[in-house]
Amino acid sequence: NAGVMQNPRHLVRRRGQEARLRCSPMKGHSHVYWYRQLPEEGLKFMVYLQKENIIDESGMPKERFSAEFPKEGPSILRIQQVVRGDSAAYFCASSPSPGDTQYFGPGTRLTVL
Amino acid sequence: AQSVTQPDIHITVSEGASLELRCNYSYGATPYLFWYVQSPGQGLQLLLKYFSGDTLVQGIKGFEAEFKRSQSSFNLRKPSVHWSDAAEYFCAVDPTGTASKLTFGTGTRLQVTL
Repeated sequence: NAGVMQNPRHLVRRRGQEARLRCSPMKGHSHVYWYRQLPEEGLKFMVYLQKENIIDESGMPKERFSAEFPKEGPSILRIQQVVRGDSAAYFCASSPSPGDTQYFGPGTRLTVL
Repeated sequence: AQSVTQPDIHITVSEGASLELRCNYSYGATPYLFWYVQSPGQGLQLLLKYFSGDTLVQGIKGFEAEFKRSQSSFNLRKPSVHWSDAAEYFCAVDPTGTASKLTFGTGTRLQVTL
């Protein structure tokens, strides 16, 4: 049973470009969570999604960031017009149901030049 | 304000020595509590969790944690550390009991000397 998969593992973008991060949850998991880890800090919650629904986006920046979890395919975290401050590790987690343990992927490390 | 505190940023212990990593939280009610470990360049692995019941929780890799309501603490312990335990350890809480939004501490980096 494969774990949570994220790709790419490393992503380099120039300021103003778009970054698209993908997360495939564990088999049988329909709940996905995105977290951001800035250097030397803990993880910060960004958004919680179920298939085709955003449940809680209280941690998402108001501009440039969006997330989706379509009926088919991986969850996508999109960052438009990236700035240097977006450089961080972005982790995805999944769970089979609300209230269940979250299992984390290896993360995508975004570097904005 | 609601928060999770890991007061020790960096801890060094000798292999074979005992370990205790501290975690304190400030929430009105008892939240769900977790400890995760992150090896360099890797994702987070769940070590153990506390929802209710017995306040001493056993986890993987020989780790345990004790919930103390009176101290609002959930400290992680291991009686004998191995060199492979060197990693960053994060305490996390779920204040809502829905496991939908974890709040993490800033982490404690563990170094193990041989």
